[in-house]
Amino acid sequence: DGGITQSPKYLFRKEGQNVTLSCEQNLNHDAMYWYRQDPGQGLRLIYYSQIVNDFQKGDIAEGYSVSREKKESFPLTVTSAQKNPTAFYLCASSIGNRVRETQYFGPGTRLLVL
Amino acid sequence: GIQVEQSPPDLILQEGANSTLRCNFSDSVNNLQWFHQNPWGQLINLFYIPSGTKQNGRLSATTVATERYSLLYISSSQTTDSGVYFCAGSTGANNLFFGTGTRLTVIP
Repeated sequence: DGGITQSPKYLFRKEGQNVTLSCEQNLNHDAMYWYRQDPGQGLRLIYYSQIVNDFQKGDIAEGYSVSREKKESFPLTVTSAQKNPTAFYLCASSIGNRVRETQYFGPGTRLLVL
Repeated sequence: GIQVEQSPPDLILQEGANSTLRCNFSDSVNNLQWFHQNPWGQLINLFYIPSGTKQNGRLSATTVATERYSLLYISSSQTTDSGVYFCAGSTGANNLFFGTGTRLTVIP
């Protein structure tokens, strides 16, 4: 089945530790996105990538890094510089860089700080 | 960025009732979308509706782009409709701005 997978489902981070969240899609979509959701809030864009080896900062990129070495994969690293990382992280993809597009979401990763 | 206001923030319905959710935007948006987030966090795209009206089963949506608002109608609600409904839109190609959502609880 085509879709977006995220792993792990739950992730725990210690102080000063970098952690990496995985996002894979087999929809053959060019564009991929990372969002952060805090309790009771909407989603905020962290980073997005329109094509392999290219990515752009979203509204809240500080303390995060990404890579896009393959079309199917868009991992997100939460660095120690992100002081309040506890949140629900959602990955999404869309067909390409067009204005009128639907985004499809993965099941999410919940990150907790120990 | 765009400010997105959703109302009501919370809604409790008896099964079988109808409801209307509203979304207001502070500026004109391009790709207005409605999403449903289930209790486990999965976000499902319901409608891509930059203007006009669309229907899908018991759900329908209307966007009046000139007045910068959109409405989501749920008819004959079921317990499986429970969750949070988000609207989102952007002024460009990629940066979707989300509202804070309407939390719907449908009770049997």
